[in-house]
Amino acid sequence: TQLLEQSPQFLSIQEGENLTVYCNSSSVFSSLQWYRQEPGEGPVLLVTVVTGGEVKKLKRLTFQFGDARKDSSLHITAAQPGDTGLYLCAGARSGYSTLTFGKGTMLLVSP
Amino acid sequence: DTEVTQTPKHLVMGMTNKKSLKCEQHMGHRAMYWYKQKAKKPPELMFVYSYEKLSINESVPSRFSPECPNSSLLNLHLHALQPEDSALYLCASSHWGGNPRGTQYFGPGTRLLVL
Repeated sequence: TQLLEQSPQFLSIQEGENLTVYCNSSSVFSSLQWYRQEPGEGPVLLVTVVTGGEVKKLKRLTFQFGDARKDSSLHITAAQPGDTGLYLCAGARSGYSTLTFGKGTMLLVSP
Repeated sequence: DTEVTQTPKHLVMGMTNKKSLKCEQHMGHRAMYWYKQKAKKPPELMFVYSYEKLSINESVPSRFSPECPNSSLLNLHLHALQPEDSALYLCASSHWGGNPRGTQYFGPGTRLLVL
């Protein structure tokens, strides 16, 4: 059983469309990170959320942490080809020194 | 500065070779990590160092040997690898404990091909 369920696993959309990626769990996380990764490169940190109900915005990207700190979402408005990449959510749990990763969402934005 | 650097960027090695991957950070982080990543999959944790001591080994084969010479450097020594070890090897660092807890910063990775 995957501790952090990420969906969808693959998303192919046209430029200008909106999309949402979800990460869900039955466990509580003390923080949750979102990363974007391009092929052959390392994951780049987009945001860390730590407070239940928290909403953070990064230009056209909106990140939300669930009230119970068990789930998170990433919403992209008016997607652009430069948004193409693998999006990873990763959570940290109290008492654990490592991150739990979702399986990732491969996003392809076509012009 | 949130930069983690890794060298080399690419590495091709035979199954009898010995090589090393290097990682460096200057963020004052006392936790450093090695991950292995296959294409379109999430990173898989291999090793964790905290305060220059190995704290987690995720049952990694002994042909991978980590080393942490000081608080800024992390090495991964490779010997007698198999073709299935070909992957992107990522280094990451974070505060130990962390505030916010868990935020790890990744390097650009080393693309390893074992022939």
